[in-house]
Amino acid sequence: DVKVTQSSRYLVKRTGEKVFLECVQDMDHENMFWYRQDPGLGLRLIYFSYDVKMKEKGDIPEGYSVSREKKERFSLILESASTNQTSMYLCASTSGGRNTEAFFGQGTRLTVV
Amino acid sequence: AQTVTQSQPEMSVQEAETVTLSCTYDTSESNYYLFWYKQPPSRQMILVIRQEAYKQQNATENRFSVNFQKAAKSFSLKISDSQLGDTAMYFCAFMKHDGNFNKFYFGSGTKLNVKP
Repeated sequence: DVKVTQSSRYLVKRTGEKVFLECVQDMDHENMFWYRQDPGLGLRLIYFSYDVKMKEKGDIPEGYSVSREKKERFSLILESASTNQTSMYLCASTSGGRNTEAFFGQGTRLTVV
Repeated sequence: AQTVTQSQPEMSVQEAETVTLSCTYDTSESNYYLFWYKQPPSRQMILVIRQEAYKQQNATENRFSVNFQKAAKSFSLKISDSQLGDTAMYFCAFMKHDGNFNKFYFGSGTKLNVKP
């Protein structure tokens, strides 16, 4: 089975802290994504990566950065956490081919206090 | 830019009955893929069904089927014989292949409650 694993299910951080969310996939997928999920807004793309060390901004990149040093790992970084970044964060991966689907991690519920 | 619209924030259905979830999308692409994803209360998002835009035949997966109307840019999900385990958030998604990567666009979701 394809596995996408996020390092934490729940996190509580303080305003101003640097926060790392980690995601690992075991299917040798080229593409990896970070989404933010908020009620009524669906999933909004923060950043994605189509290869090692390659990254592209999504629709809401402000306040976030990413790192992809290895193919299987994609990290989301909140440089200075703020309360408006309290949300559910979902990681996903796909192959680079056309006929594919996205596989998701279990999500990280981040609360910034 | 692609947009995906789910106009039903929440729906309820009695166990064993049939329910249809709506989805419309806007795109100028001719080749793309459409998906329905399910997110149960435990939160892991899983694929329910997919449709390739170049295929006219509607996809089916057991109790789940779609009504794909390409000209109308509509992609609804029908769940037959609803079960309590179908209670979840359902997301409609559009995917296009763009060079090196696949880009997904998601709707805002429909929360489905299956009542006993």
